[in-house]
Amino acid sequence: QKEVEQDPGPLSVPEGAIVSLNCTYSNSAFQYFMWYRQYSRKGPELLMYTYSSGNKEDGRFTAQVDKSSKYISLFIRDSQPSDSATYLCAMRRNSGNTPLVFGKGTRLSVIA
Amino acid sequence: GAVVSQHPSWVICKSGTSVKIECRSLDFQATTMFWYRQFPKQSLMLMATSNEGSKATYEQGVEKDKFLINHASLTLSTLTVTSAHPEDSSFYICSARDLDPRGRTEAFFGQGTRLTVV
Repeated sequence: QKEVEQDPGPLSVPEGAIVSLNCTYSNSAFQYFMWYRQYSRKGPELLMYTYSSGNKEDGRFTAQVDKSSKYISLFIRDSQPSDSATYLCAMRRNSGNTPLVFGKGTRLSVIA
Repeated sequence: GAVVSQHPSWVICKSGTSVKIECRSLDFQATTMFWYRQFPKQSLMLMATSNEGSKATYEQGVEKDKFLINHASLTLSTLTVTSAHPEDSSFYICSARDLDPRGRTEAFFGQGTRLTVV
């Protein structure tokens, strides 16, 4: 079993839809959880950053972490064509400068 | 967010030559930077962890003599692909995290470098 599992998609939704992206993980030591957006041929851009369990909202984006289920989610409300990108979940332990462990990424297309 | 600058954004080189990629943290200091490689439609694969003032830590299967990493200062790490071959063609990305524990602890990424070896 991989440490972080993420459905690669592709996921295609109409403009205005609510998008739900998810990752599961196996390592209970993970404490920091992140969602990155990556456009084609660009570096990942940090979207949401959460420590431990709970919800965090930023504009149209909401991140949820459920440590008991080892499950994290990213919701995008009122999706726009400009949201079309690959979304990567990432997480790390709470110890020093440990590297991030990434999911495979989900390719999202928002159709106008 | 914090800015990590990576240069060049793309490079084409001939087989057998070496290519140097720079990664700079522009508004914070980073004792540790990470180098990743990404194949088309794949996730990021960690290559090595670059530590300021010491040797890099390479992931299993990554040739340290081929991918030379130098972390000369708290704001600059370089990756040199030596004797490049077509199979080294890929997208290379660096990331850095703020040294200051009171600062942002999330990792920020450079723009990536697309290397094509012909």
